[in-house]
Amino acid sequence: GAGVSQTPSNKVTEKGKYVELRCDPISGHTALYWYRQSLGQGPEFLIYFQGTGAADDSGLPNDRFFAVRPEGSVSTLKIQRTERGDSAVYLCASSQTSWAGNEQFFGPGTRLTVL
Amino acid sequence: KQEVTQIPAALSVPEGENLVLNCSFTDSAIYNLQWFRQDPGKGLTSLLLIQSSQREQTSGRLNASLDKSSGRSTLYIAASQPGDSATYLCAVRPYNTDKLIFGTGTRLQVFP
Repeated sequence: GAGVSQTPSNKVTEKGKYVELRCDPISGHTALYWYRQSLGQGPEFLIYFQGTGAADDSGLPNDRFFAVRPEGSVSTLKIQRTERGDSAVYLCASSQTSWAGNEQFFGPGTRLTVL
Repeated sequence: KQEVTQIPAALSVPEGENLVLNCSFTDSAIYNLQWFRQDPGKGLTSLLLIQSSQREQTSGRLNASLDKSSGRSTLYIAASQPGDSATYLCAVRPYNTDKLIFGTGTRLQVFP
């Protein structure tokens, strides 16, 4: 597609449930990033993939959060035993390569609400 | 630890004014700085990317400058329009990391 796409756009779940958030990067982009944005704040880094491997997962808040990118394209962010504090907008971004000077392009985000 | 600050937090101006949005960062060891626009309930749209070796970038009515040594960037918007109303975020990419560090944004409202 022309840009980064994310599904679903909105997800409402109950505390304790499991959720999966999907990201489709720009075609041909090898680097993929997940960020989380709370209300009134700037996005905060979660995890970065170069190809299929997670090159940096230092931003994942705890072991309930996990992400995969099995074929080096689509990525899924998985959250187990969701908590109300997980409510936020989850943003995905991609860039052409891992070169540090590359621009990151963001998707529209998934708004997660944990009741 | 790199910290990014944006001032002002909110700005309301009449149409036609020229604006300056400020971004400061605490560590000058960065690869680049990016300015984004975010409309309510939407994702981020990249506006300008300035590499660490550059002083400024221009796109249409937007001009962004970078003074790496002093840890500052400004986004200049000429002849503002109501359609410019949005939140503007700046982000830096520090050395030896793959992530962007964001400020909290400036919420801009341009009224007719």
